[in-house]
Amino acid sequence: EAQVTQNPRYLITVTGKKLTVTCSQNMNHEYMSWYRQDPGLGLRQIYYSMNVEVTDKGDVPEGYKVSRKEKRNFPLILESPSPNQTSLYFCASSEYRGLAGYTFGSGTRLTVV
Amino acid sequence: KQEVTQIPAALSVPEGENLVLNCSFTDSAIYNLQWFRQDPGKGLTSLLLIQSSQREQTSGRLNASLDKSSGRSTLYIAASQPGDSATYLCAVRNFNKFYFGSGTKLNVKP
Repeated sequence: EAQVTQNPRYLITVTGKKLTVTCSQNMNHEYMSWYRQDPGLGLRQIYYSMNVEVTDKGDVPEGYKVSRKEKRNFPLILESPSPNQTSLYFCASSEYRGLAGYTFGSGTRLTVV
Repeated sequence: KQEVTQIPAALSVPEGENLVLNCSFTDSAIYNLQWFRQDPGKGLTSLLLIQSSQREQTSGRLNASLDKSSGRSTLYIAASQPGDSATYLCAVRNFNKFYFGSGTKLNVKP
């Protein structure tokens, strides 16, 4: 089944403790992206990647890092999480060609206390 | 910068009604437009994808239209059911940027 898989689904952590949210897709998509979704603010893009070793900032990149060492994986790293990073996070992927739509993962609910 | 607006923000209808959700965008130079459904706390499920050269797409009780020149799309839901209750988002693609509306929260009452 074609899908984007995120792990974990739920995560509670403490301020300052480094964490990684994994994202993997099995559709051979070039384009991958991370979003956060907060009530009243909608979906906001954190980082995106157009291919292996090519990443760029989205609208709200502060406090996050990403890497794209393999085509299928695009982990999101929070080096020193803070409570304002409590949110619902989504990974999404698409073919590079403009004709393709987006496929989303199921989301990761992160709480930073 | 592309701006995507969805009206109304919330909609409550009795079961069985046909309804229309609206999406408008400011830059008509889009590659495609996609409608998603999102249940509370869940991921986004793609409903329909319309390419810029197309006028509409249909899937079951759903029909989405696209008028690129006027910057508008509508999602038509026929014979609504309580199971259709969710938030519906539209997204437009400009090259490798995706722009999302803030969604329409739909409640279908039994």
